[in-house]
Amino acid sequence: NAGVMQNPRHLVRRRGQEARLRCSPMKGHSHVYWYRQLPEEGLKFMVYLQKENIIDESGMPKERFSAEFPKEGPSILRIQQVVRGDSAAYFCASSPGRGVEQYFGPGTRLTVT
Amino acid sequence: GESVGLHLPTLSVQEGDNSIINCAYSNSASDYFIWYKQESGKGPQFIIDIRSNMDKRQGQRVTVLLNKTVKHLSLQIAATQPGDSAVYFCAENGDDYKLSFGAGTTVTVRA
Repeated sequence: NAGVMQNPRHLVRRRGQEARLRCSPMKGHSHVYWYRQLPEEGLKFMVYLQKENIIDESGMPKERFSAEFPKEGPSILRIQQVVRGDSAAYFCASSPGRGVEQYFGPGTRLTVT
Repeated sequence: GESVGLHLPTLSVQEGDNSIINCAYSNSASDYFIWYKQESGKGPQFIIDIRSNMDKRQGQRVTVLLNKTVKHLSLQIAATQPGDSAVYFCAENGDDYKLSFGAGTTVTVRA
């Protein structure tokens, strides 16, 4: 049973470009979460999605950031017009339900130049 | 809102000794806590969890203690090994899904 998969593992974008981060949850998991980690800090919650629904996006900036988890395919975290402050590690987690263990992927390290 | 924090940012321990990592939380309504281990360049890895109806839970070489009176959580690692070197985070699962992480304790195991 493959774990949570994220790609790309490393992504470099120039300021103003778009970044697309993909997450494939574990088999059988329909709950997906995105977290952001700045250097030397803990992870910060961004958004919680179930298939085709955004449940809670309270941790996600209102501008430039969006997330989706379509019926088919991976969850996508999209950052438009990236700025240097978006440079961070973005982790996706999945779970089979609410209130249970979340399994994390290896992360995507975004660098904005 | 709730916050979760760790007492010490770093811990150096001799191989074979026991390690204790501490964590304090502020939300007295918190009812589910998890310890994660994060190695360099990797995602957090689940170690052990505990719910508020328990004071202690044991896993393989790890024990988590929860003191709800003082809102304190600890992770004990028995017979620490070089492979235990990592950053350890405590996290509180608020609203049944929103993990709130502390800043982490970096554990370094000396040979």
